[in-house]
Amino acid sequence: AQSVAQPEDQVNVAEGNPLTVKCTYSVSGNPYLFWYVQYPNRGLQFLLKYITGDNLVKGSYGFEAEFNKSQTSFHLKKPSALVSDSALYFCAVRDMMGSQGNLIFGKGTKLSVKP
Amino acid sequence: DAMVIQNPRYQVTQFGKPVTLSCSQTLNHNVMYWYQQKSSQAPKLLFHYYDKDFNNEADTPDNFQSRRPNTSFCFLDIRSPGLGDAAMYLCATSILSSGAYEQFFGPGTRLTVL
Repeated sequence: AQSVAQPEDQVNVAEGNPLTVKCTYSVSGNPYLFWYVQYPNRGLQFLLKYITGDNLVKGSYGFEAEFNKSQTSFHLKKPSALVSDSALYFCAVRDMMGSQGNLIFGKGTKLSVKP
Repeated sequence: DAMVIQNPRYQVTQFGKPVTLSCSQTLNHNVMYWYQQKSSQAPKLLFHYYDKDFNNEADTPDNFQSRRPNTSFCFLDIRSPGLGDAAMYLCATSILSSGAYEQFFGPGTRLTVL
């Protein structure tokens, strides 16, 4: 079965420190992977995606993610966290069994950046 | 500029009283989705339209219906809301780009059922 796992419910980071939000996936075939961010009472905002090509993908707001096929991971990273990065982060994979780009979301990781 | 618009942002209804949530888009995308998101959980896909073709998820209750009268608008009808239907409802659109469907989400409508 296809799935996405975000093993951490919450990640706490001090402002200025690097951050990592973890994601692992299980799909058959080549995965299409996405990261979205959700601020309180808002919809999801697209951060970045991996389809093919370079394993390091750069996205919005200084975020990047590294695709690792052998570890089936797609961890989200940022070299220097900001307090404004505090939000809920969702990893998602394209549902290869479905159509029109249906996504399977992880349960989300709450990122808290303290000054 | 807002590209996926949801109205209202907050909706209060009574147990069993039908309610309609609306979504519009200025992107001219051919795919539109409705998700239900309960507190601090992942969004759960209810259904989606590919143009006029309606695709219902297998576990979406019959209580939830949808209409898409044209490319720009899509509605979510909850025929008899129960307390368990209180949630954030997210509308999204997508179009094929660089080999993948990237989804664009609206701000959501938070539904309260009294």
